[in-house]
Amino acid sequence: DAKTTQPPSMDCAEGRAANLPCNHSTISGNEYVYWYRQIHSQGPQYIIHGLKNNETNEMASLIITEDRKSSTLILPHATLRDTAVYYCIVRALAPGANNLFFGTGTRLTVIP
Amino acid sequence: EPEVTQTPSHQVTQMGQEVILRCVPISNHLYFYWYRQILGQKVEFLVSFYNNEISEKSEIFDDQFSVERPDGSNFTLKIRSTKLEDSAMYFCASLSPGQRPYEQYFGPGTRLTVT
Repeated sequence: DAKTTQPPSMDCAEGRAANLPCNHSTISGNEYVYWYRQIHSQGPQYIIHGLKNNETNEMASLIITEDRKSSTLILPHATLRDTAVYYCIVRALAPGANNLFFGTGTRLTVIP
Repeated sequence: EPEVTQTPSHQVTQMGQEVILRCVPISNHLYFYWYRQILGQKVEFLVSFYNNEISEKSEIFDDQFSVERPDGSNFTLKIRSTKLEDSAMYFCASLSPGQRPYEQYFGPGTRLTVT
């Protein structure tokens, strides 16, 4: 079962930053926070991951609190194409059968 | 950029029939997965596959399901006798063990409709 809690939906104005929160209070020391998104009914797409430091890539930034019990995904300049369901997942960083357990995610709607 | 492909994009079948969903993972990937998503519900893990055998499976993956890597490129999911409740999107994913962050790459999915 998913070990994360996310708000079911959020709106964001186009061009503004979208901040998506996630609670993962039972995260273990060896578990990372991963974010995926699913646009309409397409396959999920990896966005970013982190352990305890803040991370940034070309898609987004990830802010993890010092106690690691929560995190925030930031899309700095949301576009209409960012409308999707965003999933926060905790898992160990290892190859192999580290299956992804998806929760219900946050449905982000970017408004023109 | 390499991608996972799946065929067909939409499959309609009658209850009780066998279906085979096909996936072509990214060529240097070694771990393969099937997930399903019933309309309006969350994405659910079905099975993972490595080194020509099942690594892990969920309780959804019962005796009606099987997976196979018949050659060096395809990865298939077979449902022996479909039920109405098997109607869903089925996603294949693959992963390279040598590539951090060990992200799974998902295909576009096959929509299975059982009538």
